[in-house]
Amino acid sequence: NAGVTQTPKFQVLKTGQSMTLQCAQDMNHEYMSWYRQDPGMGLRLIHYSVGAGITDQGEVPNGYNVSRSTTEDFPLRLLSAAPSQTSVYFCASRRTYFTGNTEAFFGQGTRLTVV
Amino acid sequence: AQTVTQSQPEMSVQEAETVTLSCTYDTSENNYYLFWYKQPPSRQMILVIRQEAYKQQNATENRFSVNFQKAAKSFSLKISDSQLGDTAMYFCAFTLIQGAQKLVFGQGTRLTINP
Repeated sequence: NAGVTQTPKFQVLKTGQSMTLQCAQDMNHEYMSWYRQDPGMGLRLIHYSVGAGITDQGEVPNGYNVSRSTTEDFPLRLLSAAPSQTSVYFCASRRTYFTGNTEAFFGQGTRLTVV
Repeated sequence: AQTVTQSQPEMSVQEAETVTLSCTYDTSENNYYLFWYKQPPSRQMILVIRQEAYKQQNATENRFSVNFQKAAKSFSLKISDSQLGDTAMYFCAFTLIQGAQKLVFGQGTRLTINP
């Protein structure tokens, strides 16, 4: 059972380059989300999706695009990388609605450096 | 908008001691969940404990327990008999039961357990 798989684990980009962070889950979860983690700021929500074909913005969406063509995959695209996007990125998945037993599962994170 | 505040950026205790991590949150809603996540140096996000706001009884998981004060909007984590493996970043998180159920995180507390 792989859970949530993120690739790559590390990436260095030059300013202005584009790239896609991949996220896949094998738990048939409807809800998937992307966070960025910065020192002293915790995890902040970038985009989320409640099912295939449905996405919405989180707290810090600027500079990022997402799409959800399948239940399993939720890629995050950086259109034109900026140094301010240097961060650790986490993908998470869970069932759509939190109940007493619902748990969000996180990927291992991607450390992105933009130079 | 809901906010979560962790006022202790760093804490350090000796092995076997008891330590309490603080968390406060702000919401005008009545029904929500609260969580504590642990992030060891591996970067993996691990759910430690959860609390449902409608339950008055404080949640416990082995050496981990919470002090949930709904009126004060406080949700502290107590770690008893601390172990070296408890060294990690700890994040407090909040989600409403209704709506998009976005998971909102605090800034994190870096806990070090010294031998």
